[in-house]
Amino acid sequence: DADVTQTPRNRITKTGKRIMLECSQTKGHDRMYWYRQDPGLGLRLIYYSFDVKDINKGEISDGYSVSRQAQAKFSLSLESAIPNQTALYFCATSPTGSYEQYFGPGTRLTVT
Amino acid sequence: GDSVTQMEGPVTLSEEAFLTINCTYTATGYPSLFWYVQYPGEGLQLLLKATKADDKGSNKGFEATYRKETTSFHLEKGSVQVSDSAVYFCAPMTTDSWGKFQFGAGTQVVVTP
Repeated sequence: DADVTQTPRNRITKTGKRIMLECSQTKGHDRMYWYRQDPGLGLRLIYYSFDVKDINKGEISDGYSVSRQAQAKFSLSLESAIPNQTALYFCATSPTGSYEQYFGPGTRLTVT
Repeated sequence: GDSVTQMEGPVTLSEEAFLTINCTYTATGYPSLFWYVQYPGEGLQLLLKATKADDKGSNKGFEATYRKETTSFHLEKGSVQVSDSAVYFCAPMTTDSWGKFQFGAGTQVVVTP
């Protein structure tokens, strides 16, 4: 079984809709991250959490919010989706004190 | 601010050819250096790392040496296989980069039989 799972894997939604992407991990890591990937731009950090009570904005947090429901779960929400949020979204985890990150398989989101 | 520059792709080469992907960075502090690989349809996975100057990271036939004087961490493989077709990301990371992890834009590598 995968250590970091993301649901859904693919989603098509309309402009203005609220959508939630979910991430779960069985690695026991305290730290979790949300990234988006766009062609030619690499990965950009949206939000990160160092433990259940710690949430921090990344470089592109506008238009997104997150919830850390438990050590193992970290959800990303788009309150009102817009077309330029069409991208591939990745969740990642890392153990405390390490830079090494472990990525989920990604969610492909299309906003029409 | 911190930044990372990778050579643009796609890089197309034949099986058994030599591969080099250049990566240079600017960073405050003393970064640890990573290469991640993304195979088609998958998330990124750590390929190799180096944490101090002159260290060489290696894995799956790939190597990269931490060059502090040139702030570079070029990835090399002596004989590529079709299964090496993927996107490769360079990532320098320091404690100053929490919240703004710097991944390079990625270099797509296509290996043909």
